[in-house]
Amino acid sequence: DTGVSQDPRHKITKRGQNVTFRCDPISEHNRLYWYRQTLGQGPEFLTYFQNEAQLEKSRLLSDRFSAERPKGSFSTLEIQRTEQGDSAMYLCASSLQYRGRETQYFGPGTRLLVL
Amino acid sequence: AQTVTQSQPEMSVQEAETVTLSCTYDTSESDYYLFWYKQPPSRQMILVIRQEAYKQQNATENRFSVNFQKAAKSFSLKISDSQLGDAAMYFCAYRTGTASKLTFGTGTRLQVTL
Repeated sequence: DTGVSQDPRHKITKRGQNVTFRCDPISEHNRLYWYRQTLGQGPEFLTYFQNEAQLEKSRLLSDRFSAERPKGSFSTLEIQRTEQGDSAMYLCASSLQYRGRETQYFGPGTRLLVL
Repeated sequence: AQTVTQSQPEMSVQEAETVTLSCTYDTSESDYYLFWYKQPPSRQMILVIRQEAYKQQNATENRFSVNFQKAAKSFSLKISDSQLGDAAMYFCAYRTGTASKLTFGTGTRLQVTL
């Protein structure tokens, strides 16, 4: 078990560009979460998947954001037309939900800087 | 809406001493879970300890224990015999029994001094 991995670890982009992040969960975890963490704050929920179905999206997730988990394994988070306010750490977490018991395990995050 | 409050932005403890980090939460739910996560500098967040609201017994994990006061909606973390490796941001988090997302506090930065 290699844990949750995220790629890239760092991304610098210019305002208006599109970026895509990838998350590989712990194998056989059926749930996958995306959070955003800005400096000095705790992570804020963006969206989550159970297998390939996206079950909840936060109001923080504007229409410039889209997430997919096509085969219920890895997930991608795309931000279109990036803005400086999108600069943050994007965290992925995965869990195995079974009989209501669930613990989320986090990846190292992707730090995005929009210039 | 559920909220989680950590009123101590920074704490400091000497090595081998004990420190308590505070967390309060607001909820109208009866079924929920509480967590403490540790985020070392430039490293990923790891789970320290979890507590089910229906359990009266306080959770413990080696040097880490919680004081769960359900009526007061308080969930503090006690770290005993502090070690240099305990230096990190500590986040308190909450989720309901039915929802999946975690709601985090703003964190407490713990420094461990020699």
